[in-house]
Amino acid sequence: EPEVTQTPSHQVTQMGQEVILRCVPISNHLYFYWYRQILGQKVEFLVSFYNNEISEKSEIFDDQFSVERPDGSNFTLKIRSTKLEDSAMYFCASSEWEGYTFGSGTRLTVV
Amino acid sequence: QQQVKQSPQSLIVQKGGISIINCAYENTAFDYFPWYQQFPGKGPALLIAIRPDVSEKKEGRFTISFNKSAKQFSLHIMDSQPGDSATYFCAASLAGANNLFFGTGTRLTVIP
Repeated sequence: EPEVTQTPSHQVTQMGQEVILRCVPISNHLYFYWYRQILGQKVEFLVSFYNNEISEKSEIFDDQFSVERPDGSNFTLKIRSTKLEDSAMYFCASSEWEGYTFGSGTRLTVV
Repeated sequence: QQQVKQSPQSLIVQKGGISIINCAYENTAFDYFPWYQQFPGKGPALLIAIRPDVSEKKEGRFTISFNKSAKQFSLHIMDSQPGDSATYFCAASLAGANNLFFGTGTRLTVIP
């Protein structure tokens, strides 16, 4: 069964540093997403990406966040200057429209 | 308005019993209601989904009941098994959009 692959599985970073989270969506999917889940809380939408541009974003997705599809297969989330409150599990997902497939997540710990 | 309220927060069911998880929403523009299952250390996995034009959808042991007038929907797991122990999230998306608004999750434990 096709999978969404995320790397790394766990990242620890110093506050103020930049991080890049990487994802390889399912190859025939057209829509790509990032969600986050703070420990013990609900899954929250960050951004959706279609046709090489952001289609929707939440209020969480402020200027410190950016997404890119640099080479037609990878989909990345960059956090420019990490804060302690950015510590969370970040999930990438892809879909043809509805019916997402989520990756296993990257646990980001900001210290 | 974009909130999806989920209850209970945790649920313990005997093996073979029925697990019932409930969700409620306010925004009548929601038109797609999926349920996701999440095991520890894994991403959410789509379990079953429904649209508001039907009142019930069944897939194996999993059934969604949908009450449009009450703006509520629920997941029923029949013959619950220890392998069903996981966190379950309801979600909703707006017509014409596909980003999901998730409920707060229900941790289900099925005891043998």
